[in-house]
Amino acid sequence: AQTVTQSQPEMSVQEAETVTLSCTYDTSESNYYLFWYKQPPSRQMILVIRQEAYKQQNATENRFSVNFQKAAKSFSLKISDSQLGDTAMYFCAFLTQGGSEKLVFGKGTKLTVNP
Amino acid sequence: DTGVSQNPRHKITKRGQNVTFRCDPISEHNRLYWYRQTLGQGPEFLTYFQNEAQLEKSRLLSDRFSAERPKGSFSTLEIQRTEQGDSAMYLCASSLRTLNTEAFFGQGTRLTVV
Repeated sequence: AQTVTQSQPEMSVQEAETVTLSCTYDTSESNYYLFWYKQPPSRQMILVIRQEAYKQQNATENRFSVNFQKAAKSFSLKISDSQLGDTAMYFCAFLTQGGSEKLVFGKGTKLTVNP
Repeated sequence: DTGVSQNPRHKITKRGQNVTFRCDPISEHNRLYWYRQTLGQGPEFLTYFQNEAQLEKSRLLSDRFSAERPKGSFSTLEIQRTEQGDSAMYLCASSLRTLNTEAFFGQGTRLTVV
């Protein structure tokens, strides 16, 4: 079974600074997808960024980028130029292949951006 | 279509009562998922529909839980004889059946069993 571990329950960063959130996972699959989802307070979860395991190039989306280390099974999220609106819970998730293709989530990291 | 809609947003019920939640997915999405999220945890998979067929259920889904998706459109999740341990956020998500497709989440229904 796949597992996702986020070792940082809470983090904080000053506005305009850079922060990195950690995620490790365990799987025996060779091809899979990884995601970072953002869940603002009392709002719905939205996709931040996704990575396909067979792609060596790290995904980037504006201020968000990942450091994907397949051999180490590590998938960290870097947020550059942090903004107050980035304050949220961030969940790392693994997409299982075949069948339902359901998401397996980590426990999340609560990020607070301070003015 | 503005996204996945869930109703009600909040539900307080007494232990032992039955509750039903509704999820309206994005109209062209044929996959629908229910997840449960408790405080301090990430969402956990409950069940999955492809069109109207319920194809997978988690072991978390006891026999007090039942889900339906008639005609492959909206879905309902019913919990019978609620227990305090059922208190959680129930999330619905929908997606298209292609690889790597983004799952879109609703705002969830927060259930409190007193």
